Amino acid sequence: EAQVTQNPRYLITVTGKKLTVTCSQNMNHEYMSWYRQDPGLGLRQIYYSMNVEVTDKGDVPEGYKVSRKEKRNFPLILESPSPNQTSLYFCASSPKTGHGVNYGYTFGSGTRLTVV
Amino acid sequence: AQSVTQPDIHITVSEGASLELRCNYSYGATPYLFWYVQSPGQGLQLLLKYFSGDTLVQGIKGFEAEFKRSQSSFNLRKPSVHWSDAAEYFCAVHGNKLVFGAGTILRVKS
Repeated sequence: EAQVTQNPRYLITVTGKKLTVTCSQNMNHEYMSWYRQDPGLGLRQIYYSMNVEVTDKGDVPEGYKVSRKEKRNFPLILESPSPNQTSLYFCASSPKTGHGVNYGYTFGSGTRLTVV
Repeated sequence: AQSVTQPDIHITVSEGASLELRCNYSYGATPYLFWYVQSPGQGLQLLLKYFSGDTLVQGIKGFEAEFKRSQSSFNLRKPSVHWSDAAEYFCAVHGNKLVFGAGTILRVKS
């Protein structure tokens, strides 16, 4: 089944304790992206990757890191989480086109992160 | 910079009634437009997309949307709503990047 898999689904952690949220897709998609969803703000892009070893900042990258060593994986790293990073996080992937247009993401099921 | 506005935070409709969710965008050229649906506890699912051509696009689950350039709008419609349509709906625009609106929560009353 074509899918984007995120882990964990739920995570409660303490301020300053490094964590990684994993994301893996099995569709051979070039594009991958991380979003955070907060009430009233919709989805805001954190980082995206156009292909292996190519990553770039989205709209709200502060406090996050990513890597794209393999096409299928795009982990999100919080080196020193803070309470304002409490949110619902989504990983998404899409195929790349010749015009670089996003043809529509496939989303993971989300990771609900609470930082206390 | 591109932006998306969904004017309605919440909408309540009766089961069987028609539905229209509004979406307005701002972008200098013709954008690529999307509607996504998010059921509780789930990720987002693509309902439909507009890239070019016919301005009325059909999607999954009986939804359709109409692109109106003169109004910078891409409203989502469904002729008869089912209780299972209760969810949050997001409009998104891709100009030089993909930007989402803040979402509209649809409640369906029986």
